[in-house]
Amino acid sequence: DTGVSQDPRHKITKRGQNVTFRCDPISEHNRLYWYRQTLGQGPEFLTYFQNEAQLEKSRLLSDRFSAERPKGSFSTLEIQRTEQGDSAMYLCASSLGGRGDGQPQHFGDGTRLSIL
Amino acid sequence: GQNIDQPTEMTATEGAIVQINCTYQTSGFNGLFWYQQHAGEAPTFLSYNVLDGLEEKGRFSSFLSRSKGYSYLLLKELQMKDSASYLCALSGGGGNKLTFGTGTQLKVEL
Repeated sequence: DTGVSQDPRHKITKRGQNVTFRCDPISEHNRLYWYRQTLGQGPEFLTYFQNEAQLEKSRLLSDRFSAERPKGSFSTLEIQRTEQGDSAMYLCASSLGGRGDGQPQHFGDGTRLSIL
Repeated sequence: GQNIDQPTEMTATEGAIVQINCTYQTSGFNGLFWYQQHAGEAPTFLSYNVLDGLEEKGRFSSFLSRSKGYSYLLLKELQMKDSASYLCALSGGGGNKLTFGTGTQLKVEL
């Protein structure tokens, strides 16, 4: 169990550019979640996958955001035409779904996005 | 919707006991999680409550009262490494997603 890994750890880009983040969940976990966290706040839910199917997206997720999990393993989160307000820590988490409500989500260290 | 309240900051002394409270207003949830997060690091799972009562795990205990909309995390024998943010989160809805409070920043002093 190598844990949830995210890449890159830090991303600095100019406003208007596109960025893509990658998340590799714990291998046997079928659920994968994306959250966004700003300074002094708790993480906010963005979207989640059960295997390769994206089952829910938050209203926070504008149409500039898209996420994929093509083979039910790793996931990517893309932000197009970045804006200042997109600056945040993007956290990925994974869990074992379908085995009761108490399965904790395990988080990666996140990708910190800074928009210049 | 869900509204979760936690104190913003707390300070405690090494070796002491501290209780971090979490109150919430919600139409329904599956369970309540507590996570610890050190600055710049991932949130790490501490405890989970689904039924009312106390769950104990080593130096950490968590309590839930659904009727009162209230939970607390109890940390005993505080150590300097316990200085971190403590996040209360409700699980529910599709995929059992988490809705977090703003977190309580705990500072442990000598």
